[in-house]
Amino acid sequence: KAGVTQTPRYLIKTRGQQVTLSCSPISGHRSVSWYQQTPGQGLQFLFEYFSETQRNKGNFPGRFSGRQFSNSRSEMNVSTLELGDSALYLCASRLSGGEQFFGPGTRLTVL
Amino acid sequence: DQQVKQNSPSLSVQEGRISILNCDYTNSMFDYFLWYKKYPAEGPTFLISISSIKDKNEDGRFTVFLNKSAKHLSLHIVPSQPGDSAVYFCAASYSYNTDKLIFGTGTRLQVFP
Repeated sequence: KAGVTQTPRYLIKTRGQQVTLSCSPISGHRSVSWYQQTPGQGLQFLFEYFSETQRNKGNFPGRFSGRQFSNSRSEMNVSTLELGDSALYLCASRLSGGEQFFGPGTRLTVL
Repeated sequence: DQQVKQNSPSLSVQEGRISILNCDYTNSMFDYFLWYKKYPAEGPTFLISISSIKDKNEDGRFTVFLNKSAKHLSLHIVPSQPGDSAVYFCAASYSYNTDKLIFGTGTRLQVFP
């Protein structure tokens, strides 16, 4: 069974731009979460989606948003990019309870 | 406020010996705990988990211990192998069914021959 896939793997943007990242969960998994990893803040929870509904949201500004489609695929969007948004963005999926399975991440660099 | 802490940023262990990675948490409402391993340029890989109703869980070379009164958990790897060299994160959540994981800052484990 294929794992969680994320596209693109690497992205370079400039301040003020917006970006959309994509995540395809493991087949059959309906829950998708997003995390941001930075050297200073570590791994931080962004949001969680289940059956196209956001169930939980982390402590991030409104510039960070996401959505989930009927096939469980998810996208996250960051608008008006700032230098501090440079990070590894990780997507995770799971079937129901228990452990989450992470994708390889999208490395976003904001110049 | 860091609710999950891994106070040792790095650990070096000889191959074949035991590796013990520690994690402390502050929120007594956490109900489910996990350990993940991460290699550079890859996403975290799940290792083992434990529910707050247990104090020990084993899976092959990996054992996690939970001390609720001390708000402390540890991961034991026996025997340690060079392929175990990676960054290890502990994570906590409020329930088995929630996706929101609160991660520690990680411990870099190096296993040398």
